[in-house]
Amino acid sequence: IAGITQAPTSQILAAGRRMTLRCTQDMRHNAMYWYRQDLGLGLRLIHYSNTAGTTGKGEVPDGYSVSRANTDDFPLTLASAVPSQTSVYFCASSARLAGAVSTQYFGPGTRLTVL
Amino acid sequence: GEDVEQSLFLSVREGDSSVINCTYTDSSSTYLYWYKQEPGAGLQLLTYIFSNMDMKQDQRLTVLLNKKDKHLSLRIADTQTGDSAIYFCAESIQNTGGFKTIFGAGTRLFVKA
Repeated sequence: IAGITQAPTSQILAAGRRMTLRCTQDMRHNAMYWYRQDLGLGLRLIHYSNTAGTTGKGEVPDGYSVSRANTDDFPLTLASAVPSQTSVYFCASSARLAGAVSTQYFGPGTRLTVL
Repeated sequence: GEDVEQSLFLSVREGDSSVINCTYTDSSSTYLYWYKQEPGAGLQLLTYIFSNMDMKQDQRLTVLLNKKDKHLSLRIADTQTGDSAIYFCAESIQNTGGFKTIFGAGTRLFVKA
């Protein structure tokens, strides 16, 4: 593994079903994030985790939950999917470049369609 | 409030310069970033600028920051077809527990051969 991986690459899901999107990083970054990307809205933060064992809510957390049992993994769960959750989901982790500058490293994304 | 705004589309001819503009609202921004997203991929950091700088140059990329007007621009010299992508402006602001990053909606750059 190099960087951040996400699975699945794409998924079509029936409304009401439960779904977990997986995210794994091998860079030992403390902070991890889940975003959704929708046309014209850019990236919106769903949940984040500053370090293993802690999580926080982002801009659009409703309908989603996360866990951070260890440094490497940060799964995102949709308990009961709805069509408005159709989107492309990106997982990211962040590292400091120098001083207070940090950059986020993004996974390739998961395209989710809820019917 | 925290908001980052960009125009959604820009079209240029190959060899011309591209200028992508961004405005932000939070005056406490510490760093401002430009990310590039190629089709089917995640975002990758292109460059960043500290909020007390007004210009940064990196090969074909020039970042200009007008802190008074809260305006950031990315200029790409000699634009190539490989530069076709979505470009995201982002600002890093301090909040409880650290920093958070606010992204714009992205500007889709079309490069015509």
